Parts: sequence; C-alpha cells; structure tokens
Amino acid sequence: DAGITQSPRHKVTETGTPVTLRCHQTENHRYMYWYRQDPGHGLRLIHYSYGVKDTDKGEVSDGYSVSRSKTEDFLLTLESATSSQTSVYFCAISESPGANYGYTFGSGTRLTVV
Amino acid sequence: QKEVEQDPGPLSVPEGAIVSLNCTYSNSAFQYFMWYRQYSRKGPELLMYTYSSGNKEDGRFTAQVDKSSKYISLFIRDSQPSDSATYLCAMGPGNMLTFGGGTRLMVKP
Repeated sequence: DAGITQSPRHKVTETGTPVTLRCHQTENHRYMYWYRQDPGHGLRLIHYSYGVKDTDKGEVSDGYSVSRSKTEDFLLTLESATSSQTSVYFCAISESPGANYGYTFGSGTRLTVV
Repeated sequence: QKEVEQDPGPLSVPEGAIVSLNCTYSNSAFQYFMWYRQYSRKGPELLMYTYSSGNKEDGRFTAQVDKSSKYISLFIRDSQPSDSATYLCAMGPGNMLTFGGGTRLMVKP
C-alpha cells in the first residue's frame, strides 16, 4: 500500500499488557483513522485525527488511546490488552474527510491477545 | 439495526457472469457513497465513488445510488476470477465514513 505502512504486521501479546501499533504515512494527508475489523461487525472506527495533536473518539474507543505528534505518524495504544481486542487493525488516511477522495488503507496489523 | 446493511454472502458465480452487490442504509444524511474491494489479508482499496443519486461507470464496474430507496448497488460485468474478494460499501455525510460488513464474492473459472 503505497504511502502508508503499519507496524507490526502481526503481534501476539498477553492479556493485561500495553500494546502500541504504528501507522506511518508519506502522503502528508491531514486525516488519519484507526479501524478494527471483525467478522460480523465489519470495519468500526476506533479513533481518528484531523491534525497534529488533534484527535477524537470513534464508535469503539473504550480501552484505546491514540497520539499524533507528527503529521506522518498516528499511534494506537491498547492500554491493557484484553481478549476482546483480538482483531485486525487498519489505519487509513485521507486528504479531506470522507468526500471526494475516500480513504487509503494500510495492510493491517493482525493482533492476537492470549 | 445497523446504519448500513450488507448481505455477507458468500456469493458464488461462474466466470463471465454479471454480479450485483447491494447495500441498504437508514441515514438520510448520507450523500457520499463508495465501494471498496478487499482481497484476503489485505487492506480495503477504493473501487468506486459516487456523490448523491445516479450511476457511475468505470470499465466493467457500475455503481448505482437510489437515495429515495436508501439503496446502493455495484454491478460487475464479465466477472473474472481476479474479482474474487470481499466488497464493502461505505457512505457518509462528508466527514466520516460508515462501512457495511462486506459481501464475499467468489468467481469460479
């Protein structure tokens, strides 16, 4: 996925440990999003950012925090991982919110909490 | 009830068939409508974008929006095995997208 990379691609962690996922973009887009994708639920928004240090909650934000100290990086932290947070996490970027351009997604991070 | 409903499938068709994928929605504020294609273990990629009602065609793909019925469709003509993927509809008022759960399509040679 040109211009957007997620790391790590796969991670297994233990219940109760903090986990940080990273999204890095080279497109200089203002808007960045974190989604989780689960069978039967589709893509659900966790948090999003509309600029450096400007973030807001999405539909399923409980247990997650985010930070954006630079335009190119958007970090998602699971403060104390639980088994219900086992999921595939996608980062997305957008030049403008929603309309006209859509979102460009990263390749995802597959997280397993044991 | 979810804001956006999409039949999860799977939908299995023979190569060359015309495929119809659909979503219904409940929020009349939605004006921007998109279709994403997601291959297994990959991120979704934008396939089609439509604003308000009407049709849009791009090669073998046609997107239709009927706002009066709150119903959108994606048609794939001359379907190919490479079209096998999950197709997600997405829509929004402009500042945030709401996604359907996706329809898994399998095109058999």
